[in-house]
Amino acid sequence: AQRVTQPEKLLSVFKGAPVELKCNYSYSGSPELFWYVQYSRQRLQLLLRHISRESIKGFTADLNKGETSFHLKKPFAQEEDSAMYYCALIPNGNNRLAFGKGNQVVVIP
Amino acid sequence: SQTIHQWPATLVQPVGSPLSLECTVEGTSNPNLYWYRQAAGRGLQLLFYSVGIGQISSEVPQNLSASRPQDRQFILSSKKLLLSDSGFYLCAWMDGSYEQYFGPGTRLTVT
Repeated sequence: AQRVTQPEKLLSVFKGAPVELKCNYSYSGSPELFWYVQYSRQRLQLLLRHISRESIKGFTADLNKGETSFHLKKPFAQEEDSAMYYCALIPNGNNRLAFGKGNQVVVIP
Repeated sequence: SQTIHQWPATLVQPVGSPLSLECTVEGTSNPNLYWYRQAAGRGLQLLFYSVGIGQISSEVPQNLSASRPQDRQFILSSKKLLLSDSGFYLCAWMDGSYEQYFGPGTRLTVT
């Protein structure tokens, strides 16, 4: 079965410092990968997905099939980036997302 | 545009009492619908999903059940709540590009 691992539960970074959230997955096929974000008092929402290859709010994520990773990165953290971040995977042809346990990011002013 | 509603927003129930949480979606037809439980340190746990009226798949055996009486209505129920049922429950639907849209959630406290 597919699995998504996010090793750090809590990540504290200073404003302006780089931030990287690690996500590793286990799946034998070609999955589709996502990062979802939940800001305080807001709904869980999609941040970005690997097929779009976009930078959203300064965040990027590259799918590395060799390392089975989809790490989320931002070169300069902002206070508004403080949130809960979830990595998620959907196997090919499936309709169920598998989520990681999430990373709480706190950006220190 | 599509909208997803959940109610109630918060609920405090005694152990052994029944539960009914409702989720409705507007602006789309025949959506895939999902119930999750979100717990600190445990992430998002998929409880049930439905691909159509009356079609329910259970992911985790537990004290809860789900029903889909109408195309855009998804209900999470229990006959007798346990303390361990406390948590934050999220409903979601998925569009054709596999993006999920989440409701505002229900905070359930079982006392």
